[in-house]
Amino acid sequence: EPEVTQTPSHQVTQMGQEVILRCVPISNHLYFYWYRQILGQKVEFLVSFYNNEISEKSEIFDDQFSVERPDGSNFTLKIRSTKLEDSAMYFCASSPPGLRGTDTQYFGPGTRLTVL
Amino acid sequence: AQSVTQLDSQVPVFEEAPVELRCNYSSSVSVYLFWYVQYPNQGLQLLLKYLSGSTLVESINGFEAEFNKSQTSFHLRKPSVHISDTAEYFCAVRGGNTPLVFGKGTRLSVIA
Repeated sequence: EPEVTQTPSHQVTQMGQEVILRCVPISNHLYFYWYRQILGQKVEFLVSFYNNEISEKSEIFDDQFSVERPDGSNFTLKIRSTKLEDSAMYFCASSPPGLRGTDTQYFGPGTRLTVL
Repeated sequence: AQSVTQLDSQVPVFEEAPVELRCNYSSSVSVYLFWYVQYPNQGLQLLLKYLSGSTLVESINGFEAEFNKSQTSFHLRKPSVHISDTAEYFCAVRGGNTPLVFGKGTRLSVIA
């Protein structure tokens, strides 16, 4: 069964450094998402991406964040200058074409980002 | 805007006992409701969802949830749990084209 994959599983970085989290969505999916979960808190929506552009973003997704689908298979989340409070589990998700409200979002296993 | 409250952060239960994981939501629009499960070291997997129609929805592994509009609830139940059901369970809501909004999760621990 196809699945969403994410690399790396764990990333440790120094504050102020740039990180890129990578995701490979399911191949025929058209909608892509990033979520994050700070330890002990809710899973929070960051951004959705469709047709090579951001379709929606939350207040968390500020200028330090960017997303890209560079080659038709990967979907990346970049944090330009990491802060301590960016430490979290980051989940990528994708969903197939269809009515957005009803589509199942398929999640990857997550990347745990630790900012020191 | 939508919000989700999962009232229990941890639920320990003995094997073969019934369990209910509670979920309440708030929304000013019609919603779609979801339960996701996360097994250790894995991603979020859809367990079941309510879109429309019958208010009782079931999963293939014996879980069920009932949409109760008057109580704004979508509690998850299983009549007899197994050790393999030990996981984190997340309730989520989506209204129209809004993003998924998750609850904080409930850790279900099944005790042999």
